[in-house]
Amino acid sequence: GAGVSQSPSNKVTEKGKDVELRCDPISGHTALYWYRQSLGQGLEFLIYFQGNSAPDKSGLPSDRFSAERTGGSVSTLTIQRTQQEDSAVYLCASSLGTPQNSYEQYFGPGTRLTVT
Amino acid sequence: KNQVEQSPQSLIILEGKNCTLQCNYTVSPFSNLRWYKQDTGRGPVSLTIMTFSENTKSNGRYTATLDADTKQSSLHITASQLSDSASYICVVSAGGGGFKTIFGAGTRLFVKA
Repeated sequence: GAGVSQSPSNKVTEKGKDVELRCDPISGHTALYWYRQSLGQGLEFLIYFQGNSAPDKSGLPSDRFSAERTGGSVSTLTIQRTQQEDSAVYLCASSLGTPQNSYEQYFGPGTRLTVT
Repeated sequence: KNQVEQSPQSLIILEGKNCTLQCNYTVSPFSNLRWYKQDTGRGPVSLTIMTFSENTKSNGRYTATLDADTKQSSLHITASQLSDSASYICVVSAGGGGFKTIFGAGTRLFVKA
């Protein structure tokens, strides 16, 4: 079946502009995650959605970052007033349940964001 | 503080050789440990997962070990191939509520002909 998809694959934007990144999880997966990966660095957790529960936003680096998950499926990560340090690959993953309960996360290909 | 540390940071080996990557963690309470492979420009793909009671898990030429007492894990790659060139990420999840999954920075493996 289809895996996790993300769009766009690449995004170049000017400093100060807002951007929206989209994630389509695997159908039926109740959990959805956003991560950021800067060049040569490890994955940095941003936000986690689980079913209808309030999202865990503890990883969001500033109030310029927000995310929504509509209808328990598609998610959008929004970055307002982008800064050059926001340049990174933004990865989305989904799973049937939580990693703590050994459910595997399936990752999308990522969106490479470049802020000029 | 929950942490996952991997070594070496990068590694170059010749095709056909074996190698071992290390992961030390301080995540508590421990739930499970995964090894992921991330090819350049792609998302990570799971190789193995181990819970507290498991001390070894194999997936083809990849074998992961876990010592829950010393909080160490290793990933052994046998008879390396050029396609093994990638980053290998150790990921540890903690029990309890909330999202408590910690990613290591990864080991960048280069396999040369």
